Amino acid sequence: GAVVSQHPSRVICKSGTSVKIECRSLDFQATTMFWYRQFPKQSLMLMATSNEGSKATYEQGVEKDKFLINHASLTLSTLTVTSAHPEDSSFYICSARTRGNYGYTFGSGTRLTVV
Amino acid sequence: AQKVTQAQTEISVVEKEDVTLDCVYETRDTTYYLFWYKQPPSGELVFLIRRNSFDEQNEISGRYSWNFQKSTSSFNFTITASQVVDSAVYFCALSDSTGANSKLTFGKGITLSVRP
Repeated sequence: GAVVSQHPSRVICKSGTSVKIECRSLDFQATTMFWYRQFPKQSLMLMATSNEGSKATYEQGVEKDKFLINHASLTLSTLTVTSAHPEDSSFYICSARTRGNYGYTFGSGTRLTVV
Repeated sequence: AQKVTQAQTEISVVEKEDVTLDCVYETRDTTYYLFWYKQPPSGELVFLIRRNSFDEQNEISGRYSWNFQKSTSSFNFTITASQVVDSAVYFCALSDSTGANSKLTFGKGITLSVRP
């Protein structure tokens, strides 16, 4: 079945640094990638939607200059948290979809801790 | 706008009990998809089921069963003879089918604890 590999699974970084999270679709073409953030004991909140080769569309309230999304190929999308602060500590998870398929394939998530 | 309501926040049962997780949705679309996901403590989302709006047949998969009722906009999930391994957060979700960019709207999730 469809698999999305997400790395790293856990990362600890210092406040003010940037962190890049990668999601790769291993056996299908991810025409659309969704990025979610989940705070402890809360639901998944959509941050942005990206299509291969296009700029991402961000949800209201999500800073596009802080959360940089790149979807340059059909198998790779990245989320870079720039100038991270402790309040950015969260669980980030990606989800990929391919054209014509109504399912969503999720990565295993990245737990980011900013100290 | 789409909305998914999971009114139960936490449920605790003893092993072997049956438990039903409720899900009520709102959408103006006539074509849509409903999902259930399981999120164990490790964090990854485990896909359980996808149901389209034209298929109201109930589904059974082992100890899991789903009851889809369009008349009440509900898509409830029942675990029969629960086990400790069923302990997790369960999310109900909804998407329309207007294209590859259609978003998945999640409910707030239900934390299920199954005690031995």
